[in-house]
Amino acid sequence: KAGVTQTPRYLIKTRGQQVTLSCSPISGHRSVSWYQQTPGQGLQFLFEYFSETQRNKGNFPGRFSGRQFSNSRSEMNVSTLELGDSALYLCASRELGEVAEAFFGQGTRLTVV
Amino acid sequence: GESVGLHLPTLSVQEGDNSIINCAYSNSASDYFIWYKQESGKGPQFIIDIRSNMDKRQGQRVTVLLNKTVKHLSLQIAATQPGDSAVYFCAENNWAGGTSYGKLTFGQGTILTVHP
Repeated sequence: KAGVTQTPRYLIKTRGQQVTLSCSPISGHRSVSWYQQTPGQGLQFLFEYFSETQRNKGNFPGRFSGRQFSNSRSEMNVSTLELGDSALYLCASRELGEVAEAFFGQGTRLTVV
Repeated sequence: GESVGLHLPTLSVQEGDNSIINCAYSNSASDYFIWYKQESGKGPQFIIDIRSNMDKRQGQRVTVLLNKTVKHLSLQIAATQPGDSAVYFCAENNWAGGTSYGKLTFGQGTILTVHP
């Protein structure tokens, strides 16, 4: 089975721009979560999508948004980029079930200049 | 934020030694715990998990211990190898609460360095 695929791997954007990151989950996984990883704050939960619906949201401003498509692929968008948005953005997918481990992609390294 | 990444704890061991990485979790309602390994340039990789109705679980060369009384989790790695060098994160989830779903709350991480 192919793992979680995130594109692009690296991205450089200018402050004020917007960006869209993509995540393809493991085949059969319907839950996709997004995390932001920075040296200062560590790994922080952004949101989770299941069946095209956002089920849970972390403590991030409204500039951070996401969506999920019918094939479970997900995108996250960050508008009006700030320097502090520079981070590794990680996507994780899970099967359904009471408890299921999350499999992470390699992440998208976003640098805002 | 919920996870502070400044000044990660470090653990340095010799190849062949046993390693113990500790984690204090925050939510007494958490009922599922996971250890992840993250190598440079990669996403976190699942190592082992444990539910709150257990206090110990063993995998291949790894053991996780859970002490709910003091909200403490530990990862033991036997016969540590240079390939085990990475950052190790514990993560918690409140599944039974019904509201956290896929939300994992991560600890700050511990840098493990294994010397040949």
